[in-house]
Amino acid sequence: AQSVTQPDIHITVSEGASLELRCNYSYGATPYLFWYVQSPGQGLQLLLKYFSGDTLVQGIKGFEAEFKRSQSSFNLRKPSVHWSDAAEYFCAVVRRGGGYNKLIFGAGTRLAVHP
Amino acid sequence: GAVVSQHPSWVICKSGTSVKIECRSLDFQATTMFWYRQFPKQSLMLMATSNEGSKATYEQGVEKDKFLINHASLTLSTLTVTSAHPEDSSFYICSALTGTYEQYFGPGTRLTVT
Repeated sequence: AQSVTQPDIHITVSEGASLELRCNYSYGATPYLFWYVQSPGQGLQLLLKYFSGDTLVQGIKGFEAEFKRSQSSFNLRKPSVHWSDAAEYFCAVVRRGGGYNKLIFGAGTRLAVHP
Repeated sequence: GAVVSQHPSWVICKSGTSVKIECRSLDFQATTMFWYRQFPKQSLMLMATSNEGSKATYEQGVEKDKFLINHASLTLSTLTVTSAHPEDSSFYICSALTGTYEQYFGPGTRLTVT
């Protein structure tokens, strides 16, 4: 069965530091992968997605993610974190089949940013 | 980008009453919408898939008679929590699917049952 693992429940970084959030997936075929961000009181916002092609994907707000099939990973990175990046981040994979495309979410990683 | 709204953003109701939550896609048509439930500091749990003009498909363990879903138009899906109890208190989030496998999420509805 498809699944997504985010090993880090909580991460704290200093403003200006680099960031990497880990995501591992389990899926038999080529996965469709997503990263979403959820800020307090707001809905989930799509940061970036991977369907095929270039394994390094650029997203909004300066984020990027790299798909590594050999490691079953899709880690999210940002070279310099801003205080406004503090939020909950979810990695997700599409579960295809049965005529519907359902998102399977990881448990999420809560990012705190120190000034 | 695509915008999805939810109404109300928060609601408090008494145990035993029913509550209806609306999910609208504002600038696009969505034949498929999804309803999720999120507990504090936890991930989203898919409850059901809502398809315009047909019955919703519920995930295993979700009571279809308690969580009634109606997708009456290409821009509106509703979730009705019937005979609500305190354990139904949660954050309910909807999303609408575009043709490219992308889901756009509403801001969520906080339900508190007293």
